[in-house]
Amino acid sequence: EPEVTQTPSHQVTQMGQEVILRCVPISNHLYFYWYRQILGQKVEFLVSFYNNEISEKSEIFDDQFSVERPDGSNFTLKIRSTKLEDSAMYFCASGGASGSRTDTQYFGPGTRLTVL
Amino acid sequence: GNSVTQMEGPVTLSEEAFLTINCTYTATGYPSLFWYVQYPGEGLQLLLKATKADDKGSNKGFEATYRKETTSFHLEKGSVQVSDSAVYFCALKAGSSGDKLTFGTGTRLAVRP
Repeated sequence: EPEVTQTPSHQVTQMGQEVILRCVPISNHLYFYWYRQILGQKVEFLVSFYNNEISEKSEIFDDQFSVERPDGSNFTLKIRSTKLEDSAMYFCASGGASGSRTDTQYFGPGTRLTVL
Repeated sequence: GNSVTQMEGPVTLSEEAFLTINCTYTATGYPSLFWYVQYPGEGLQLLLKATKADDKGSNKGFEATYRKETTSFHLEKGSVQVSDSAVYFCALKAGSSGDKLTFGTGTRLAVRP
């Protein structure tokens, strides 16, 4: 069964460093998402991406964040200058096969980002 | 704005016990409602969903009914198994906010043999 994959599973970085979190969505999906969960808190929406552009973003997704689909298979989240409060589990999701905007989003296992 | 409230965990049950995890929501419009499950070391998996009032979603013995009058979508299972031990997330997708999901905090379930 197709699944969303994410790498790395755990990323440790120093404050101020740039990180790139990588995701491979399900191959025929057209909509891509990033969510995050700070330890003990809710899963929060960051950004959605469709047709090579951001379709919606939350107030969390400020200028330090960017997303890209560089090669038609990967979907990346970049944080330019990490802060301590960026430490969280980051989930990638995809959905919407064949141009239909279905309700179901399929999630990856997450990348745990630790900023020291 | 939209929000989802889940009961606090962890919930610890013996095998074959009855499970209820409460979920209530606040949303504009007519949201779709979801339960996702996260098994240890894995991603969020869709467990069940309901897209309109009075719909019942069901899967793997779990069920939840969309109750518009009480703005609730409580998860139930008649007889839990050790393999059901996981974190359960209630979520909504409201038409007025596009297709993003709004999640509750998650409820950890531990089932003892």
